[in-house]
Amino acid sequence: EVQLVESGGGLVQPGGSLRLSCAASGFTFSNYWMSWVRQAPGKGLEWVANIKQDGSEKYYVDSVKGRFTISRDNAKNSLYLQMNSLRAGDTAVFYCLRGGNSIPDYWGQGTPVTVSS
Amino acid sequence: VVVTQSPLSLPVTLGQPASISCRSSHSLVHSDGNTYLNWFHQRPGQSPRRLIYKVSNRDSGVPDRFSGSGSGTDFTLKISRVEAEDVGVYYCMQGTHWPPYFGQGTNLEIK
Repeated sequence: EVQLVESGGGLVQPGGSLRLSCAASGFTFSNYWMSWVRQAPGKGLEWVANIKQDGSEKYYVDSVKGRFTISRDNAKNSLYLQMNSLRAGDTAVFYCLRGGNSIPDYWGQGTPVTVSS
Repeated sequence: VVVTQSPLSLPVTLGQPASISCRSSHSLVHSDGNTYLNWFHQRPGQSPRRLIYKVSNRDSGVPDRFSGSGSGTDFTLKISRVEAEDVGVYYCMQGTHWPPYFGQGTNLEIK
């Protein structure tokens, strides 16, 4: 059974940093693109970033470019999102997804991030 | 490339059909010949679940009352007979062009 379990969310002040993690199991992690998607409270879904199987390609939406870094550790079956210079507008539930932007399939349960003073 | 859903609110009587439209600002046909238009369902308090991928391919475990169709810029998700478990928000998502984009969501509720 495919499982994606996010962690690392929490309350952070504007300008602060957080590192999200996603532990994957039930499939061969190193065979898949992986992605992050976020959902602001009461709002729709917004793509954040993708990373290729070997980490050689990474793509970001403009709103997070230069502030967020996606990475992975295939030996640990883990995906990460380092978030710096956080803003109030980054407040959202962050989801880890299996797959890239073409046909993502499984989603984790999400980890909430609140940026507030 | 933006995708726009309609309606945004969809009250439906149990056992009746439902239909959601998703229109794209540009063709979603990829250079590899595939059309990366996917449909997701999010129940209240849960993470989204994929129902349909590449326009019309139903995911494993998705009831056959769900169907996807369309081409180019116009796409539709249909539910032949709505059941109580179908409540929630439905999102179309285009994965052909960067950045990927989700529609605003259609909130299906039971009348």
